[in-house]
Amino acid sequence: NAGVTQTPKFRVLKTGQSMTLLCAQDMNHEYMYWYRQDPGMGLRLIHYSVGEGTTAKGEVPDGYNVSRLKKQNFLLGLESAAPSQTSVYFCASMGRASEAFFGQGTRLTVV
Amino acid sequence: GDSVTQMEGPVTLSEEAFLTINCTYTATGYPSLFWYVQYPGEGLQLLLKATKADDKGSNKGFEATYRKETTSFHLEKGSVQVSDSAVYFCALDGAGTYKYIFGTGTRLKFLA
Repeated sequence: NAGVTQTPKFRVLKTGQSMTLLCAQDMNHEYMYWYRQDPGMGLRLIHYSVGEGTTAKGEVPDGYNVSRLKKQNFLLGLESAAPSQTSVYFCASMGRASEAFFGQGTRLTVV
Repeated sequence: GDSVTQMEGPVTLSEEAFLTINCTYTATGYPSLFWYVQYPGEGLQLLLKATKADDKGSNKGFEATYRKETTSFHLEKGSVQVSDSAVYFCALDGAGTYKYIFGTGTRLKFLA
């Protein structure tokens, strides 16, 4: 059982480049989330989805876009990367029991 | 809005010492409360949870009690091991919103 899988695990971007982070879950969960983790700031919610075809903004949505075209996938896009987006990104999914399952993280560096 | 405040780390202990990591929250309604643990290089995983006042969550020797009167959910373990080295996050799920709010995390380290 794979759980939550994030790709890629590491990436280095130049300022202004774009990229998409993919999150896939195989637990048939309705809810999916993207967080960023920065030193001393915990996890901050970027965007989330409460079901296929829906998305909503979290605490820090600026500079990011998301899509949930299929229930099992939640994509996070950076259209024009900035050094301030250097972070570790975590995807999570949650079922009705309120336990969140996290991926292993994507370490993104923007130079 | 809802928020979670954790004690700043790192917490540095000797093996077999008693651990307390403080967590307080502000929330409208009656949130569920959680402790997550992040081992080096990994994602977060659920350690324990409590869904209503006076509930005690427990797992792997860790415990936390949902205290509505003090809006707290402190994590405790009677005898920590080096294998407990990790970052611990307190979180709340605001009354059915399914939007987790996390604290800043507290790192547990051990004296050499």
